Amino acid sequence: NAGVTQTPKFRILKIGQSMTLQCAQDMNHNYMYWYRQDPGMGLKLIYYSVGAGITDKGEVPNGYNVSRSTTEDFPLRLELAAPSQTSVYFCASSYSKGNEQFFGPGTRLTVL
Amino acid sequence: AQRVTQPEKLLSVFKGAPVELKCNYSYSGSPELFWYVQYSRQRLQLLLRHISRESIKGFTADLNKGETSFHLKKPFAQEEDSAMYYCALGTDRGSTLGRLYFGRGTQLTVWP
Repeated sequence: NAGVTQTPKFRILKIGQSMTLQCAQDMNHNYMYWYRQDPGMGLKLIYYSVGAGITDKGEVPNGYNVSRSTTEDFPLRLELAAPSQTSVYFCASSYSKGNEQFFGPGTRLTVL
Repeated sequence: AQRVTQPEKLLSVFKGAPVELKCNYSYSGSPELFWYVQYSRQRLQLLLRHISRESIKGFTADLNKGETSFHLKKPFAQEEDSAMYYCALGTDRGSTLGRLYFGRGTQLTVWP
């Protein structure tokens, strides 16, 4: 099993550009999550999903969108990139509530 | 509101010394507490969880509901314990079901 995979690993965007961060898992997990990690701030939940077709906002959803058309994939969309979105983005999945979350390797995004 | 506090951003000890990473939480319900660890150039992974009450890599953590704490302890630190440690809180009900709230992390360095 590959576990949780994320692409790309690094990306530099200009202000106003858009992009999609890809996340996939092959563990048949129902729950998937997107976090951002800012220096010294821990992980903040952006969006999460409890199953295909079901998504909900986390603590910091502004400027992002998600979709969950399949159990395996949970892409995160940035429509108008801003410098405040410079961060490391982690995708995670878990079988259900309270279970261990498995993390991807992260995507380091810089918006200039 | 749910909150996790890790008061120490950085913690340094010498090999063989005891180590304690502090974690306090705020939650009105019945909490689930976790410690996640991120070694250099590796992805975030679960170290231990309070309901399993087990020792992993010599680390233990006891949930103290009276003090709302979940401190991580190891009697004899090893160099390979050097990593970033995150305390995380899971909730048992309501709209936040299935989510984790992370502290800002403590960077542990164990000197030879």
